Amino acid sequence: EDQVTQSPEALRLQEGESSSLNCSYTVSGLRGLFWYRQDPGKGPEFLFTLYSAGEEKEKERLKATLTKKESFLHITAPKPEDSATYLCAVRVRGTALIFGKGTTLSVSS
Amino acid sequence: DTGVSQNPRHKITKRGQNVTFRCDPISEHNRLYWYRQTLGQGPEFLTYFQNEAQLEKSRLLSDRFSAERPKGSFSTLEIQRTEQGDSAMYLCASSSEDQFFGPGTRLTVL
Repeated sequence: EDQVTQSPEALRLQEGESSSLNCSYTVSGLRGLFWYRQDPGKGPEFLFTLYSAGEEKEKERLKATLTKKESFLHITAPKPEDSATYLCAVRVRGTALIFGKGTTLSVSS
Repeated sequence: DTGVSQNPRHKITKRGQNVTFRCDPISEHNRLYWYRQTLGQGPEFLTYFQNEAQLEKSRLLSDRFSAERPKGSFSTLEIQRTEQGDSAMYLCASSSEDQFFGPGTRLTVL
């Protein structure tokens, strides 16, 4: 069965304290790995798509990387406005995405 | 704003009633998806349209659920005879390649 596991479930950081979120996957034939940000009561906001091992993408303080078994979302010098739930998803067959449960990030000033 | 829009944003209904939600995708996107999200979980896929054709349906989409996309534009998701377990956020997404989500419709079944 295709599975996506995110860790940790929750992460508390001080402003400026860099860290990484993990997304590990067990799937048969990865056709893309996706990162989304979700604020409370809102829909997920698209961040990145990664297709092959070794690929990296950056946006402001966020950098996503991909290996054959996992992806990392690195957050450099986070600010309070980076507080949100970060969702990882994979596409295996068809077009539907399989999501993990997310990591809830809290950044305090 | 040219993003995905959903209406209503919130719906409270009594058990056994029918409800219908609407999704307007990004205009140039021919693919449209419905997902359901409960508290503390990631979104779960329900169904997918390419233009007006419904091409994929999840096992989560019971007989009480029906989705349409007439003329390949907006889509509707109807839930008949709602149950308390249907309470969730219903999310719509559209894509040409990457999926962009709308704000969701929060359903509460009393």
